[in-house]
Amino acid sequence: NAGVMQNPRHLVRRRGQEARLRCSPMKGHSHVYWYRQLPEEGLKFMVYLQKENIIDESGMPKERFSAEFPKEGPSILRIQQVVRGDSAAYFCASSPWQGQYNSPLHFGNGTRLTVT
Amino acid sequence: KQEVTQIPAALSVPEGENLVLNCSFTDSAIYNLQWFRQDPGKGLTSLLLIQSSQREQTSGRLNASLDKSSGRSTLYIAASQPGDSATYLCAVITQGGSEKLVFGKGTKLTVNP
Repeated sequence: NAGVMQNPRHLVRRRGQEARLRCSPMKGHSHVYWYRQLPEEGLKFMVYLQKENIIDESGMPKERFSAEFPKEGPSILRIQQVVRGDSAAYFCASSPWQGQYNSPLHFGNGTRLTVT
Repeated sequence: KQEVTQIPAALSVPEGENLVLNCSFTDSAIYNLQWFRQDPGKGLTSLLLIQSSQREQTSGRLNASLDKSSGRSTLYIAASQPGDSATYLCAVITQGGSEKLVFGKGTKLTVNP
């Protein structure tokens, strides 16, 4: 039973380009969460999705950032027109239905985005 | 707004010592508290989850306690080993917070052989 899979592990983009980060949740998990870890900062919640629905995007910047979790395929975090301040580690986590309160989140190894 | 603080930010101990990591949170209305371990360049590994109705959880050499009313949790590591070296993160889910975890900045632990 594979864990949460994120790819790519490392991503380098020039300012102004687009970054697409992918996350495949654990088998049987229908809830996906994205967190961002800036250098020397703690992890910050960005967005919470269920299949085809955004449940809570209160932590996501209003501009340039978007997330989806389609019926088929991985969840995608998309950052348009990247800036240096977007450089961070982006982590995806998954849980089963209504699992957050009773079972721990399972995290992927993250995608480290570097904007040059 | 929930805030989570971890003290100390870094800790260096000789192998074999027992140690305590501290976590405090400002809003005691939580569903649960979780301790994670993060190794450099890696993701997070869940260590212990304490429900709001529980006082402690144990796994091997790890013991986590929760005092919800005072907004505190401790992670006790017995007989520390060099392999315990990592950053330890504390996180809570706040009631009414739509299931998102609020993290502290972590305690970076180094266990010296």
